Amino acid sequence: QVQLVESGGALLKPGGSLRLSCAASGFPFSDYYMTWIRQAPGKGLEWVSYISGGSAYTKYADSVKGRFTISRDNAKNSLYLQMSSLRVEDTAIYYCARAGSGYDQDKYFDNWGQGTLVTVSS
Amino acid sequence: EIVMTQFPATLSVSPGERATLSCRASQSVGSNLAWYQQKPGQAPRLLIFGASTRAAGVPARFGGGGSGTEFTLTISSLQSDDFAVYYCQRYNNWPPELTFGGGTKVVLK
Repeated sequence: QVQLVESGGALLKPGGSLRLSCAASGFPFSDYYMTWIRQAPGKGLEWVSYISGGSAYTKYADSVKGRFTISRDNAKNSLYLQMSSLRVEDTAIYYCARAGSGYDQDKYFDNWGQGTLVTVSS
Repeated sequence: EIVMTQFPATLSVSPGERATLSCRASQSVGSNLAWYQQKPGQAPRLLIFGASTRAAGVPARFGGGGSGTEFTLTISSLQSDDFAVYYCQRYNNWPPELTFGGGTKVVLK
C-alpha cells in the first residue's frame, strides 16, 4: 500500500534553514507529481509547492517563493523541501502528498503522510 | 489568483440529518475540484475529486456536485464519524498554483 513518511521537522530560530524529507513506498514514485502542503496551528490547509515526476516542472506558493526549494530523488523514492530564511509564519505541520494519478492535470491528493512539525520561534 | 470560499464556516448537524457544504470559486475551475475531510490530529483524507467522483473507500453517503464556480459536498445522513473539518481544493491548470478553501467545520447540534 502507499506510504508516505515525513521527517526533518524541528524547532529553529527565524532566519534558519531546514530540509524536510518524505520517504515514499508502495507505488511507482517517478510517475507521480508530489506536493508539500502545510497547516499552521489551528488554521486551514495551505499548498506550498509541487514537483513533476521527472522534476522538470516545479511551482511554489508566493509565500515561499525564493526561500523554499522542492526536489526529489526518484532512485531513493524520496521528496524533499529545502527551507531557508525561515519566518515565524512558516510554523506549521508540513505534509507531503501524492497526486491522484500519473496525469499532470490531476493535482488533487489521494495519499498523505502524517506530517512533520516545523516551529520557527525566537 | 483564484480564491476559494467555503460556507458556512461552521455547520451544526444532528446525527442522521443531511449536511450540505458549499464551496465557491472566484472564477471557473471547471470540474477540477476536490473535497477533503480532516479529523483532529490526522492528515486530510481525499473524499471527492472531479467535483463528483468519490475516492476509493469513501462511503456512498458522501456526494459531490457542481461545476464552474459553485460546488457542494452533501453528506446524506450524518454519522458520528463525520464530525470533522472539510476543505475544498481547486486544481485546474491555470493559474498553476493550487488553492484550498478555508474549511467548514461540521459539529454536533
